[in-house]
Amino acid sequence: GAGVSQTPSNKVTEKGKYVELRCDPISGHTALYWYRQSLGQGPEFLIYFQGTGAADDSGLPNDRFFAVRPEGSVSTLKIQRTERGDSAVYLCASSPTLGGISDTQYFGPGTRLTVL
Amino acid sequence: KQEVTQIPAALSVPEGENLVLNCSFTDSAIYNLQWFRQDPGKGLTSLLLIQSSQREQTSGRLNASLDKSSGRSTLYIAASQPGDSATYLCAVNDYKLSFGAGTTVTVRA
Repeated sequence: GAGVSQTPSNKVTEKGKYVELRCDPISGHTALYWYRQSLGQGPEFLIYFQGTGAADDSGLPNDRFFAVRPEGSVSTLKIQRTERGDSAVYLCASSPTLGGISDTQYFGPGTRLTVL
Repeated sequence: KQEVTQIPAALSVPEGENLVLNCSFTDSAIYNLQWFRQDPGKGLTSLLLIQSSQREQTSGRLNASLDKSSGRSTLYIAASQPGDSATYLCAVNDYKLSFGAGTTVTVRA
């Protein structure tokens, strides 16, 4: 596809369960970012990858959150022992390079996570 | 830590009026600033990107200015239309994006 895709579009889970959220970036984009958007707020940075490695994971709220990008393309955000406060829209973005002054980040439609 | 503020939080205007949306940020060490549009329940659509060395950028009815030294950007939308109703977000890029909370715009027909 031409854009960033994310699956699932919606995920409802119970408190304490494990979830995985997937992101397919635009082909050829080396930089990939995860953000989290709570209701009425702007997105907040979680983590970004340059290639396969996590270049900055300082935005991950705690050790229940983990993300991988094993082959430098698709990325998975993993949340263990989910809590109600994890409910939000999780957005993925990609860009051609990391930190380029003219690089636009292209966003996917997001995954809406609801923890009951 | 970069702090981004958008004023006003909400704006309602009749069709045809010009819109002025404000964004301020605390750290001027940025690569660029982007303005995004977000429709309810949807992802983000990039509207304009201003590089840190630029003063303004234009696309159709949209014009964005950047004053990096004072930490301010303004998005102007000329001759608003009902289809412009959405939430507008500004984000500063210092390799990751830091977003404001957005301005929700309603254009009344």
